Amino acid sequence: LAKTTQPISMDSYEGQEVNITCSHNNIATNDYITWYQQFPSQGPRFIIQGYKTKVTNEVASLFIPADRKSSTLSLPRVSLSDTAVYYCLVGGSASGGSYIPTFGRGTSLIVHP
Amino acid sequence: GAVVSQHPSRVICKSGTSVKIECRSLDFQATTMFWYRQFPKQSLMLMATSNEGSKATYEQGVEKDKFLINHASLTLSTLTVTSAHPEDSSFYICSASDGDRESNQPQHFGDGTRLSIL
Repeated sequence: LAKTTQPISMDSYEGQEVNITCSHNNIATNDYITWYQQFPSQGPRFIIQGYKTKVTNEVASLFIPADRKSSTLSLPRVSLSDTAVYYCLVGGSASGGSYIPTFGRGTSLIVHP
Repeated sequence: GAVVSQHPSRVICKSGTSVKIECRSLDFQATTMFWYRQFPKQSLMLMATSNEGSKATYEQGVEKDKFLINHASLTLSTLTVTSAHPEDSSFYICSASDGDRESNQPQHFGDGTRLSIL
């Protein structure tokens, strides 16, 4: 199973760009990389997903180097409402080929005024 | 799109009670549904995976007789915590995907159920 490693916490200020990096050294060939955002007492919310290079949507960008052993979630111009825990999730395949989602500890982002 | 509704949002009950939690995909067919448990300040722990019409697959250490999962249709899965005890108190979250178990389709999460057993 692909294990992920992220910084436990990050601090930023309103208006700044925030980059959160996730390491996934044993990512499998068919695995995608997905990022989720979670607020307290709520379920995670899908942010972005990618396989390689760069993906951009209306809320974030995802950068994935050629070796795919890491990925970086980029949040442009964060606001106070972006304070949350961010998880990267890599598709994991057990020996039987079944997808077993494994959440790491996530990164707690605190945005200051 | 891709809305998942989870009910109830909060349950407080006495020890020994069985509690049923519903997870519904409102605007898509959920081929696969996942059930998670999350303790305070911790990450989500996968409990089980269910596919419509088949038995759920439980993760190691999760008692299938304690946590009954039924995935009766492509839009509904239920988790029943049987004879709940205080140690079962936690935040339970479901998610749904329109991909099969080998898919990398994103999961769409419900808003969770806060279960408190007195």
